[in-house]
This record gives sequence, structure tokens and C-alpha cells, in this order.
Amino acid sequence: GAVVSQHPSWVICKSGTSVKIECRSLDFQATTMFWYRQFPKQSLMLMATSNEGSKATYEQGVEKDKFLINHASLTLSTLTVTSAHPEDSSFYICSASLGYNYGYTFGSGTRLTVV
Amino acid sequence: RKEVEQDPGPFNVPEGATVAFNCTYSNSASQSFFWYRQDCRKEPKLLMSVYSSGNEDGRFTAQLNRASQYISLLIRDSKLSDSATYLCVVNRGSSASKIIFGSGTRLSIRP
Repeated sequence: GAVVSQHPSWVICKSGTSVKIECRSLDFQATTMFWYRQFPKQSLMLMATSNEGSKATYEQGVEKDKFLINHASLTLSTLTVTSAHPEDSSFYICSASLGYNYGYTFGSGTRLTVV
Repeated sequence: RKEVEQDPGPFNVPEGATVAFNCTYSNSASQSFFWYRQDCRKEPKLLMSVYSSGNEDGRFTAQLNRASQYISLLIRDSKLSDSATYLCVVNRGSSASKIIFGSGTRLSIRP
């Protein structure tokens, strides 16, 4: 089955620093990957759609200059949280799909804590 | 109105009981529907897709009602291990690329 690997699993960083999260499709090629954020006891919120070889598409209200997305290959998408602040502390999850009606496979998530 | 709405619960039922959740969606052009399960502090995992004719997978049955724009999940003979948050997932519009999550329904099975 489709496997998506996400690293790191958790990270603690100081306010003002940047954090990069990687999402890899291990046994398939993903031209599109999705990045979600989940605050405690809330649902997953789509942040952006990452497109291989082109710019990411951001959802309304998500700052593209703060959440930098790079999808340079068919198996890797990265999300960089720039100048992180405590309110950016959250659970970030990436996902990809094998195709229509096959559902979506998720990475194991990254728990970011900004202190 | 949210695109996808679920009763947050929690549903607290005894082991062996049958429990059902509903989920409503607002975009009539939605084409793909799924139920995901999310355990505490973990990523969501696909439980089952939902097909127009309804489908069953062991103790789990999913139904789709396009006219009323809702999907349902029925769990029979519930087990302790079924305790989790169940997420209703609907694709946005006719494109298969974006999916929207409901806020989830918490289920707790007691011995």
C-alpha cells in the first residue's frame, strides 16, 4: 500500500527560528501532496496543496510567506515554518493520494512546539 | 455553515453495542466520501470509502444519501479497540484533489 513518511515526528524550537518538515512518498510518485494543521481537539484544516514543479496553492487565511512549501520532486514535499511563534505550535500532517476514490494516505505527523 | 458537519460526541457506549454516526456535507457536487479513524495524537487512517450503493466491511457499514447530503457509519458489536475519533471526509466539489475533514466524532467504548 501507499506509504507516506514524514519527519521529524516532533520538534521543539525557539520563537523566531524556522523549522522544516519533510514528507516523502515511499513507494509511489505523488504529483500532489497536501499539508494540514490540527490544533488540539479540532479537525484537520487544509493549509495548502503542494504541486510538483510548480507553486503551492494556499487556502484562504494561510500566509504563504510564513509557510513555505517546496515540491521539487515527485516523492518529496517540504513545509518550512518561518519565524515560528508559539501560536504556530500544532500538529502538522501531510498526505497524498494514489488516485480518485482511493482515499488519502497520511504521514505520521509532526508535533511542533514553539517556546 | 461548515462544509462538513459532524456531531462531536462523545458517544460512550458499552462493549458489544451498535453505534451510528451521521455526517452532513454542504457541497452537492462532492463526489468522494470516506470515513477515517484517528487515535489520540496520531495521524488519521482510512477506515473505508463510502459508495453510493452503501458498503460493508466486517462490523462497519457505510451509507451515502445524496438527496439529503449525508453519510453514515454504523459499527456493530463494538470493541474496546474501536474507541477513537471518527472523521467524515468529503472531497471539495467535483475535483478529486481537495478533501475536507469534519471535526470528528469521539467514540468511547466501555467494558
